[in-house]
Amino acid sequence: RKEVEQDPGPFNVPEGATVAFNCTYSNSASQSFFWYRQDCRKEPKLLMSVYSSGNEDGRFTAQLNRASQYISLLIRDSKLSDSATYLCVVNPMEYGNKLVFGAGTILRVKS
Amino acid sequence: GAVVSQHPSWVICKSGTSVKIECRSLDFQATTMFWYRQFPKKSLMLMATSNEGSKATYEQGVEKDKFLINHASLTLSTLTVTSAHPEDSSFYICSASDFATSGTLYNEQFFGPGTRLTVL
Repeated sequence: RKEVEQDPGPFNVPEGATVAFNCTYSNSASQSFFWYRQDCRKEPKLLMSVYSSGNEDGRFTAQLNRASQYISLLIRDSKLSDSATYLCVVNPMEYGNKLVFGAGTILRVKS
Repeated sequence: GAVVSQHPSWVICKSGTSVKIECRSLDFQATTMFWYRQFPKKSLMLMATSNEGSKATYEQGVEKDKFLINHASLTLSTLTVTSAHPEDSSFYICSASDFATSGTLYNEQFFGPGTRLTVL
């Protein structure tokens, strides 16, 4: 079983749509969770951290369910510029500062 | 945010040659740097963790004699792919963190722009 699993997509949505991505992780001891965005042939960039209470940043909302070991990202009012690969990333604290990346979910927003 | 650079951004080389990739933290001191490899449509895979002034810690399955890592200063780490072969062709990305963690608190990693290696 992969440490971090994501639906690879692609998700093809029209502008203005709401889209949700899910992610599951296998290490129950994991303490820190993130969503990164990666554009084609570029490095990943931190989109947002994910907190137990859920958190929102503009059009983006992240949720964490520790009991189910499940993380989600909701994007509202999708823009063309949101097209990218979204990476679910986990820091299993027992490994210190390491990050474990999911393979990513591809989002394509079309006009 | 903190800036990390990589050089070169891309390189094409013949099979059997060695390639050195540099990773620099431009505006902070990076006590820890990480080297990742990403194959097309795959996730980033951590290759090794290096702390300034000490030997790198390699992940299982990564050959330390093939992927030489040096972290001689707080702003520079290098990855040398020795005797490169076509199967080493990949996107190599470094990241840097300004805290040598003891495993108690996660500190953000800042990523370099990556180096695309193609071995003919």
